[in-house]
Amino acid sequence: GAGVSQSPSNKVTEKGKDVELRCDPISGHTALYWYRQSLGQGLEFLIYFQGNSAPDKSGLPSDRFSAERTGGSVSTLTIQRTQQEDSAVYLCASSSALLAGNNEQFFGPGTRLTVL
Amino acid sequence: QKEVEQDPGPLSVPEGAIVSLNCTYSNSAFQYFMWYRQYSRKGPELLMYTYSSGNKEDGRFTAQVDKSSKYISLFIRDSQPSDSATYLCAMRVEGNKLVFGAGTILRVKS
Repeated sequence: GAGVSQSPSNKVTEKGKDVELRCDPISGHTALYWYRQSLGQGLEFLIYFQGNSAPDKSGLPSDRFSAERTGGSVSTLTIQRTQQEDSAVYLCASSSALLAGNNEQFFGPGTRLTVL
Repeated sequence: QKEVEQDPGPLSVPEGAIVSLNCTYSNSAFQYFMWYRQYSRKGPELLMYTYSSGNKEDGRFTAQVDKSSKYISLFIRDSQPSDSATYLCAMRVEGNKLVFGAGTILRVKS
């Protein structure tokens, strides 16, 4: 009965390195979202997975960003050749239904990424 | 101009005060309006949800939506130090993604 979990909780990397961030959604949730939250900013939508449908990648800021969702469960967000402006908290959320009505999104605690 | 505007604060109030948090938006198609609360180093959690215009009350919290003015509010009565957090408004069009405000930092002093 655990909530959404994310790992690692903190990641410090050097500019130019690749990083992978992991999200374990709530069991049975078909929808999964990735957001980015920079200091003093709201949540910026990155990508959305719903079941077996093609993901909505419209929020990815550049081709250095990509995400996968294996077996309709765990998701990995990959950032290649990290830049300092990628430093932010990356939040994952899951929900039980499509984008309809009040399908509450349950958020994980986030991964705090720092690019030196 | 952002689709959703929210004053980032911080807003500092004494314990027991009534707090008013607000967002304005530009997309008249938004139908679903939410308020999320985010404690430091935690993910946001849904606090209030309203469909279309009107008021909704839950304990010390009241959410108001005025679609004609494209303005939503969250009121907190008898504020407590435990209410200190960042409050994010969010809204969506049916079948579309949530759009978040920047969040308002609230500090309730004991």
